[in-house]
Amino acid sequence: QQKVQQSPESLTVSEGAMASLNCTFSDRSSDNFRWYRQHSGKGLEVLVSIFSDGEKEEGSFTAHLNRASLHVFLHIREPQPSDSALYLCAVFSNTNKVVFGTGTRLQVLP
Amino acid sequence: EAAVTQSPRNKVAVTGGKVTLSCNQTNNHNNMYWYRQDTGHGLRLIHYSYGAGSTEKGDIPDGYKASRPSQENFSLILELATPSQTSVYFCASGPPGQTNSDYTFGSGTRLLVI
Repeated sequence: QQKVQQSPESLTVSEGAMASLNCTFSDRSSDNFRWYRQHSGKGLEVLVSIFSDGEKEEGSFTAHLNRASLHVFLHIREPQPSDSALYLCAVFSNTNKVVFGTGTRLQVLP
Repeated sequence: EAAVTQSPRNKVAVTGGKVTLSCNQTNNHNNMYWYRQDTGHGLRLIHYSYGAGSTEKGDIPDGYKASRPSQENFSLILELATPSQTSVYFCASGPPGQTNSDYTFGSGTRLLVI
């Protein structure tokens, strides 16, 4: 059964400093990966999707997938206080199920 | 605009009562899903459906039933609500084969069981 874990559980960075979040998965045959952002009390906002090894950039968000090492990273370039939120990694497979990580809570200090 | 709409947005229920959470999608997606979100657990899959008339157990189905009477509607039913079911519930829809760019979430239902 697919297991998805995120680290760190929480992260505090200063405004403008790069933030890096990690997601590890257990099934190397997983199809697609997506990062979501969730502000407190709100719904899920799609940030970036990736399905091939390498990098995918969407605005200030870059996903980096390495299937061999079972990792998908999210890098946030020059984060702002408004980027303070819960970040969730989602792993899609051909079984029509999606498994989520437990999330990383990011705080960006002004 | 295609969307996933959940109702109600907020619900307070008493222990032992019956609760029905509703989800409607206009994406014409075959697959629909119910998740709950709790601190420290991310989103966990409760039930899902491949189409009208179909319901499948997810990872944490105990205490929940699901109903898919049509392509557009997918309900989550708590026959005997318990305080441990206090959570935020999300519905989602997606096409077969999980093209994740089309995977869409509702805004969530916040349930408090007292």
